[in-house]
Amino acid sequence: DAKTTQPNSMESNEEEPVHLPCNHSTISGTDYIHWYRQLPSQGPEYVIHGLTSNVNNRMASLAIAEDRKSSTLILHRATLRDAAVYYCILRSRGGSNYKLTFGKGTLLTVNP
Amino acid sequence: DVKVTQSSRYLVKRTGEKVFLECVQDMDHENMFWYRQDPGLGLRLIYFSYDVKMKEKGDIPEGYSVSREKKERFSLILESASTNQTSMYLCASSSRTGSNEQFFGPGTRLTVL
Repeated sequence: DAKTTQPNSMESNEEEPVHLPCNHSTISGTDYIHWYRQLPSQGPEYVIHGLTSNVNNRMASLAIAEDRKSSTLILHRATLRDAAVYYCILRSRGGSNYKLTFGKGTLLTVNP
Repeated sequence: DVKVTQSSRYLVKRTGEKVFLECVQDMDHENMFWYRQDPGLGLRLIYFSYDVKMKEKGDIPEGYSVSREKKERFSLILESASTNQTSMYLCASSSRTGSNEQFFGPGTRLTVL
């Protein structure tokens, strides 16, 4: 599985935008980029995913570099409830395409 | 509201006991997964199932087995529990189509004494 690299931790202030980076220099053309987050004492939850184009949903935006070797998850206005570990995961399109390999993620702290 | 439920939030067992962890999903998903999560190691896939009676080993299957007799239920079995199996166990399910988004249960914290 292609690997991702994320900072161990990041800090933000409430109501400010947060940009969470992810490097995936060995991404293949058929890999989707998925983001999940895990709130304290809960199982992970899906945030967003994309292939080539930038994506928006009610939770966040995903900006994908033109060469696809990096991506950024954008939380437009962080709230205290966004404090969580954020995982950037590559999912291959073919073969065992339902498997996800979780790395260590980025621990986001949101200050009031 | 879609749901993945796990039989217990907390479980304490003794070394050598046989342990069953149950997971049920109500989304008619084909795929189901068992992970364990340990501090500093993140989530690691133990086993997954892509259909009834079908299973595949994940990254750390040793010491575990699974059973999927019905589509909605996926069981993780520790044949003889050991202290190094003390962990948080998370079940997930996903559809074979669409985004393959995985839906997770709340987890079972297992302590083996």
